[in-house]
Amino acid sequence: GAVVSQHPSWVICKSGTSVKIECRSLDFQATTMFWYRQFPKQSLMLMATSNEGSKATYEQGVEKDKFLINHASLTLSTLTVTSAHPEDSSFYICSARLDYEQYFGPGTRLTVT
Amino acid sequence: GDSVTQMEGPVTLSEEAFLTINCTYTATGYPSLFWYVQYPGEGLQLLLKATKADDKGSNKGFEATYRKETTSFHLEKGSVQVSDSAVYFCALRSAYNQGGKLIFGQGTELSVKP
Repeated sequence: GAVVSQHPSWVICKSGTSVKIECRSLDFQATTMFWYRQFPKQSLMLMATSNEGSKATYEQGVEKDKFLINHASLTLSTLTVTSAHPEDSSFYICSARLDYEQYFGPGTRLTVT
Repeated sequence: GDSVTQMEGPVTLSEEAFLTINCTYTATGYPSLFWYVQYPGEGLQLLLKATKADDKGSNKGFEATYRKETTSFHLEKGSVQVSDSAVYFCALRSAYNQGGKLIFGQGTELSVKP
C-alpha cells in the first residue's frame, strides 16, 4: 500500500518551453503532497507544500510563478516548470502524506536543452 | 531552526563489513526521526523510523536508536551486502508539526564492494 507514482520518469525539453510533472497517490487519498528538488549528489530541497483545493505554500526562495503547483484532486498534484532554462535541469521528487507519514514517488529527471 | 547533520561520504565497505552512518539533529522537543534510502535514479524509500526517545527502528537488518541525550540516530547494520549500495538520508519531522515537512540531512553515499 501507499504507492506514489510520477509521470513522466524523465523528460527533455527545449529552453523556453513549459513542462508538467504529475504526482499521483495510487491507493490512498492525499490532501497534502510535497515537491522536492534534488541536485546530483545532494540532499532534497523542499520546494513547496501542495494542499488539495487551495494554493500551494512555497519555501523561501522558490519562484511561485515559475514552478506552478496544482492539487486539483485528492490523488493528483502537478508541478509545471514554466519557461524552463538549463538551470532548471534537476531531479524532481514528490511525496504524498498519509496519516503522519510521507510516501515518495520515484522521481522525474528533467533535462532542459 | 531544526537541522540534521550526517557524516560525510562516500563510505566504501567490503561485503559483510559492519556499517555505521552517524546522524545528529537539532530540534526542540521530541521530533520523529527517519532513515530513508535512495537507490540510483530512484525516489526515496522509508527504511526505518523512531518517534520517541529510546525507540529502536529496524528493517532489513538495519537498526537505529533514538538517543535524546546525544541527539543522535545513528544507522547500523552488522553485515552489509553489495545490494545495500545506495544513498542514505537521515531526516526529522518536528514534534510540533506532525503532518508537516521533513528536514533532511545531506545524505551519505554507501558503496559496498564484493
